Order: sequence, then structure tokens, then C-alpha cells
Amino acid sequence: DTAVSQTPKYLVTQMGNDKSIKCEQNLGHDTMYWYKQDSKKFLKIMFSYNNKELIINETVPNRFSPKSPDKAHLNLHINSLELGDSAVYFCASSLRGVLQETQYFGPGTRLLVL
Amino acid sequence: AQTVTQSQPEMSVQEAETVTLSCTYDTSESDYYLFWYKQPPSRQMILVIRQEAYKQQNATENRFSVNFQKAAKSFSLKISDSQLGDAAMYFCAYEGGSEKLVFGKGTKLTVNP
Repeated sequence: DTAVSQTPKYLVTQMGNDKSIKCEQNLGHDTMYWYKQDSKKFLKIMFSYNNKELIINETVPNRFSPKSPDKAHLNLHINSLELGDSAVYFCASSLRGVLQETQYFGPGTRLLVL
Repeated sequence: AQTVTQSQPEMSVQEAETVTLSCTYDTSESDYYLFWYKQPPSRQMILVIRQEAYKQQNATENRFSVNFQKAAKSFSLKISDSQLGDAAMYFCAYEGGSEKLVFGKGTKLTVNP
């Protein structure tokens, strides 16, 4: 059983295009995240949603727009792709509460912008 | 803002030996969580071990254990009886009241046969 899944796993596209990455979790978690891992392997939070509500929005260009249709899904749409957007994007989920729960990660989506 | 520092970009260990990966962090919070994640070449992020700051006892998971020094803000990972499958990038991470993970830059571990 896949806990946190992302599609696609690989995405190669031209500069200026618009693309989306989908994320789904079947863990019953209520909080989902997007992280970006750059070419130097550095991981940084981009967004976090709790029960479809945006709770974390780091300094990310407006070209990036997360959408959460329900608490099991968090998609990432990127407009006007730039070379610098090339990275691995990870979705994660956790159960928010009094006791903070571990974040579980999806397999990542490697985005290459040409 | 919280920061996490991993001072060893690369480490190597002989199979069956023990290796310790270092991690220090900076925070003004008293309640927080610390994690070690492993990222093998498959790039999947795998949780290795987790430590709650309010617990004095060091967490252990089979061959993996931590040395948590809260006053020194240090959180090192010890891998005993290293196996070839332990070769990976290891990331130390902090989670406090903001509920976002703050990662260190990672340590690449090589296991030599």
C-alpha cells in the first residue's frame, strides 16, 4: 500500500510551460506539505495545508500555486516554468495535534526545465 | 529562526563498523522534535529515528541510536554494525511550533565492503 504518492515521478518540460504535480495520501492525515530539494540536495518547505486550509506559505514565487481539494490531496501547479525551478519536489503528510506527528514523504517528483 | 547544521558533508565507514553523524541546531523553543531521515539513491525520504525534546532518554531503533544533548543543542546519529544498505544521504531535521521541518544540508554516508 502506497502511503504518500506523487504523480508524475519525472517531468521534463520547456521554459514557459505550465505544469502540475499531484499528491495523495491514504494515511488519514490532515496536514500536507510541499518541499523543494535543490541540486545541492537542500530541502526547504514551500507550503503546508491543514484540512484544506493554507497554514504555511514560505517565500515562494507567485507562479507556484498549491491546491487542496480535500485533506487527502495537495496538488502543486507551476506557471511559466523557469530553469531555476528544476528540482525534486516532495509531498509529505502528517497528523497535526497536541503531539506532533512524524511527516511521511512521497517518492518525489524530479522536474527538469529545459 | 531555527537552523540545523550538519558539519560533515561526507562520511565513510567500513561494513560492520560503527559511525556517528553529527547535527547541531539552534532554537529558542523548549518543545520540539528532532528527526533523522535517510535518502538512498532512490531519493525516497525514509524516517530513521525521532526524538522528542522533552524526553531525556535517547531514542533507539535497532542499529540506530541518537545522542541527544539538549543543553548543547546536539543530536548525533550512531549507526552500529553498518551495512551496505545504509549508504545514503542522511538529513537531520527540526520541527518546532511552526510545524514545518527545517533540514540540515545532509551528510553523504558511504559504506565500504
